[in-house]
Amino acid sequence: NAGVMQNPRHLVRRRGQEARLRCSPMKGHSHVYWYRQLPEEGLKFMVYLQKENIIDESGMPKERFSAEFPKEGPSILRIQQVVRGDSAAYFCASSPTSGGHNEQFFGPGTRLTVL
Amino acid sequence: AQKVTQAQTEISVVEKEDVTLDCVYETRDTTYYLFWYKQPPSGELVFLIRRNSFDEQNEISGRYSWNFQKSTSSFNFTITASQVVDSAVYFCALSELNRDDKIIFGKGTRLHILP
Repeated sequence: NAGVMQNPRHLVRRRGQEARLRCSPMKGHSHVYWYRQLPEEGLKFMVYLQKENIIDESGMPKERFSAEFPKEGPSILRIQQVVRGDSAAYFCASSPTSGGHNEQFFGPGTRLTVL
Repeated sequence: AQKVTQAQTEISVVEKEDVTLDCVYETRDTTYYLFWYKQPPSGELVFLIRRNSFDEQNEISGRYSWNFQKSTSSFNFTITASQVVDSAVYFCALSELNRDDKIIFGKGTRLHILP
């Protein structure tokens, strides 16, 4: 059973471009969480999605950031018009259900660098 | 409010010494989970342990041990006979049962094991 997959592992964008980060959860997992790790910081929750639904986006910046988890395909975190402050590692995690009984499995992360 | 505090920003010890990483948490919930993750220089997150709030037994896994004290809201992590490969950033984290399982991370402790 493959783990959580994220691609690309490294992404370089110039200011003003768009960044698309992909997360394929573990097989059988229908819950996806995105976290951001700024340099020298801990991870901070951004958004929690189930298939086709955003459940909690309380950690998402109000502008330029969006996330989706379609019925088919990976979850996508999209950052429009990137700025230098968006440079960070973005981790996704998946779990089979919610309710606190299941561990979240983390992907290897995508390291975004904005020039 | 949920909060995880890792007061030690950076620790250096000589190989074979024991080292304890401190973690103090805040929560209003009676049911919650505590975690420790390791982030080696390669950047991925390595899950170490998850402990629920009703299980205060200390746990030992090889050279690693964890001391959960509800009375002081602490979940400390000890590495015995440290090795250079233990050098990493270690994160303590909290998840509340009624908060969609999002994980709240501390800022991490950077551990240097000197040969």
